[in-house]
Amino acid sequence: GAVVSQHPSRVICKSGTSVKIECRSLDFQATTMFWYRQFPKQSLMLMATSNEGSKATYEQGVEKDKFLINHASLTLSTLTVTSAHPEDSSFYICSAITGTGGVYGYTFGSGTRLTVV
Amino acid sequence: DQQVKQNSPSLSVQEGRISILNCDYTNSMFDYFLWYKKYPAEGPTFLISISSIKDKNEDGRFTVFLNKSAKHLSLHIVPSQPGDSAVYFCAASDFRDDKIIFGKGTRLHILP
Repeated sequence: GAVVSQHPSRVICKSGTSVKIECRSLDFQATTMFWYRQFPKQSLMLMATSNEGSKATYEQGVEKDKFLINHASLTLSTLTVTSAHPEDSSFYICSAITGTGGVYGYTFGSGTRLTVV
Repeated sequence: DQQVKQNSPSLSVQEGRISILNCDYTNSMFDYFLWYKKYPAEGPTFLISISSIKDKNEDGRFTVFLNKSAKHLSLHIVPSQPGDSAVYFCAASDFRDDKIIFGKGTRLHILP
């Protein structure tokens, strides 16, 4: 079945540095990928929609200059957390639409636990 | 404004009994509903879904019921097993885009 690989699974970085998270579709092409963030005891919050070859669409309240999204190919989307601060510590998850498209084929990466110290 | 609500943060059920997880939504444009299961430090995995044209969908031990007039759906797991202990997210999508809106999740504990 369709697999979305997310890397790294865990990362610890110092405050002020940047961290890149990769999301790859392993056996299918994903023209659209989504990035979510999970806060403790809260919903998976949609951050942005990543479209191959074009700019990402950010949800209200998400800083586009802080969370840089690049979807340079049909199999790779990256999220870069720039100038990370402790409050950026969270669990980030990507997902992609697979197969026939739409929510019918929608699979998630395994997530990245970011800790900013 | 939370469009998908799971009002029970946690639920404990005896092994072998039925687990019922509830979800309410506010957006009448939602036409597709999904349940995801999530273990700690892992991404959510798809469990079962239902289209708004149906009121019930069954897959093995899992059944999802949709009550459109009440804007309510529920996930039934029977019989409950220890491996069912996880966080369950209710999610919804409307036909105008492919975004999925998630509820806050319900942590299910299956008691031995």
